[in-house]
Amino acid sequence: EAQVTQNPRYLITVTGKKLTVTCSQNMNHEYMSWYRQDPGLGLRQIYYSMNVEVTDKGDVPEGYKVSRKEKRNFPLILESPSPNQTSLYFCASSLIVASGHTGELFFGEGSRLTVL
Amino acid sequence: RKEVEQDPGPFNVPEGATVAFNCTYSNSASQSFFWYRQDCRKEPKLLMSVYSSGNEDGRFTAQLNRASQYISLLIRDSKLSDSATYLCVVSTGYSTLTFGKGTMLLVSP
Repeated sequence: EAQVTQNPRYLITVTGKKLTVTCSQNMNHEYMSWYRQDPGLGLRQIYYSMNVEVTDKGDVPEGYKVSRKEKRNFPLILESPSPNQTSLYFCASSLIVASGHTGELFFGEGSRLTVL
Repeated sequence: RKEVEQDPGPFNVPEGATVAFNCTYSNSASQSFFWYRQDCRKEPKLLMSVYSSGNEDGRFTAQLNRASQYISLLIRDSKLSDSATYLCVVSTGYSTLTFGKGTMLLVSP
């Protein structure tokens, strides 16, 4: 089954304790991206990757890191989480179509993170 | 980053009603347009792409007006299962996707 898998789905942590949210897709998609969703603010892009070893900042990259060492994986790293990073996080992947645009975005089920 | 704006709603409609959502975008260089659907506490899923000539998928019709820079989604014969938040998504090319904040639809019996 084609899917994007995120882990953990739920996490409560404390300020400053490093954490990683994993994201894996089995569709051989070039493009992967992380979003956070907050009430009243909608989905905001954190980082994205066009292919292995190619990553770029989205709208709200501060406090986050990513890596793309393999095509299928795109982990999101919070080196020193703070309460303002409490949010619902979505990973997504897509093919890159001939025109250079992304095709349909496939989202993971989301990871709800609470930082105390 | 250019904006995509939607009426947040909620739109409360009875079953069987026709409802329309509008979305405006500010970047005239935008090239691709989509509607996504997001159920409560779930991930967004593609509902339909929006083509210049307009397109229909069952009870759903999407229209694009490039001159006025707006996109619309029309839902006919609303079902209870249509209750969700509808996200307007605009691409300016090469992976630059901007999401609207979404319009909530509540369909009641």
